[in-house]
Amino acid sequence: AQSVTQPDIHITVSEGASLELRCNYSYGATPYLFWYVQSPGQGLQLLLKYFSGDTLVQGIKGFEAEFKRSQSSFNLRKPSVHWSDAAEYFCAVDPYSSASKIIFGSGTRLSIRP
Amino acid sequence: EAQVTQNPRYLITVTGKKLTVTCSQNMNHEYMSWYRQDPGLGLRQIYYSMNVEVTDKGDVPEGYKVSRKEKRNFPLILESPSPNQTSLYFCASSPGVKETQYFGPGTRLLVL
Repeated sequence: AQSVTQPDIHITVSEGASLELRCNYSYGATPYLFWYVQSPGQGLQLLLKYFSGDTLVQGIKGFEAEFKRSQSSFNLRKPSVHWSDAAEYFCAVDPYSSASKIIFGSGTRLSIRP
Repeated sequence: EAQVTQNPRYLITVTGKKLTVTCSQNMNHEYMSWYRQDPGLGLRQIYYSMNVEVTDKGDVPEGYKVSRKEKRNFPLILESPSPNQTSLYFCASSPGVKETQYFGPGTRLLVL
């Protein structure tokens, strides 16, 4: 079945350590890809998006993501996390590149160890 | 300030009592959407609208209605709420294809 998978429900990393959050999708064509962040009690904010072109995408707050077609993945990375990065992160896919249906992964909760 | 607003932010109701959650955006966006967020399930799309008078079902439309009579407003209607509709609801808008979606602050609904 078509889906967006975030295999890690909860990740804890130390402040200053690097971070990688995984996202895989199972749609046939190359969809539009997004990462959103949700801070506690807040709505969602877009971190970055990929439509085409350079497969390494830079976003806000020092995040980047790399699209790998062969692996159907769009993993989010940050070289050095800050305590303020503690939040829930959602990968999302627009499988038909039409903005009509956006499919979200189940989310990865990030905790930061002081 | 460009924003998406939702009202109410919190709502407790009883089974069967009709309710409406309003959503309004001041960015002249064509596209609007409703999601529900449940633990372990992420966000699931309920309905979306590509423009005025154009709406379509998302992944979980059962038990919900929407309307888009004006560009700025996209209310979510629960004609006969049930406890399984207890959830956190988000409205979002965007200018259109390839554009960023802007999310409202969320409405937490409890149906007893």
